[in-house]
Amino acid sequence: RKEVEQDPGPFNVPEGATVAFNCTYSNSASQSFFWYRQDCRKEPKLLMSVYSSGNEDGRFTAQLNRASQYISLLIRDSKLSDSATYLCVVKGNNDMRFGAGTRLTVKP
Amino acid sequence: DTAVSQTPKYLVTQMGNDKSIKCEQNLGHDTMYWYKQDSKKFLKIMFSYNNKELIINETVPNRFSPKSPDKAHLNLHINSLELGDSAVYFCASSQDLGGGAKNIQYFGAGTRLSVL
Repeated sequence: RKEVEQDPGPFNVPEGATVAFNCTYSNSASQSFFWYRQDCRKEPKLLMSVYSSGNEDGRFTAQLNRASQYISLLIRDSKLSDSATYLCVVKGNNDMRFGAGTRLTVKP
Repeated sequence: DTAVSQTPKYLVTQMGNDKSIKCEQNLGHDTMYWYKQDSKKFLKIMFSYNNKELIINETVPNRFSPKSPDKAHLNLHINSLELGDSAVYFCASSQDLGGGAKNIQYFGAGTRLSVL
């Protein structure tokens, strides 16, 4: 089992749609969780941290389920500019593990 | 000013050559990383340094040797380049190894290495 697993997609959605990504992790001792965004031929950039109680940033909502060892990202009212690859990131003791990413394409 | 800068941006070289990629961060961070992103887009950690000390050394061929002259710099030297080394190499930094926001990583723009 991979340490961090994501559905690679692609997810193709129309503008205005709501889309959700899940990510599972294998290390129950993982401490910190993040979603990053990577545009084509660019570097990854932090989208948002994921807190135990769940957190929201505008159209984006992140949730953490420690018991089931998964995190999720919900994007509401998708914009064309949301098209990117979304990377789930999990921190253990000293290392950061990236998922392979979920590709999202938002179409007009 | 770019927070994490790496050079060169593109590197095209022949098999068997030795090359270096440089990375510098001006964020005052203690921890720096090297990642490799292959053609399948999977981002895999190679090394991390905290205050110039090696913390993580994944299963990477010993042809790859990181060097951290100070905590603002982490360079990557690659000996005897092979075709399979072709990838995008990203440098990153974080405040330190602590939890939460201290782990947020800031990436350089990447170095696209092509080995012919």
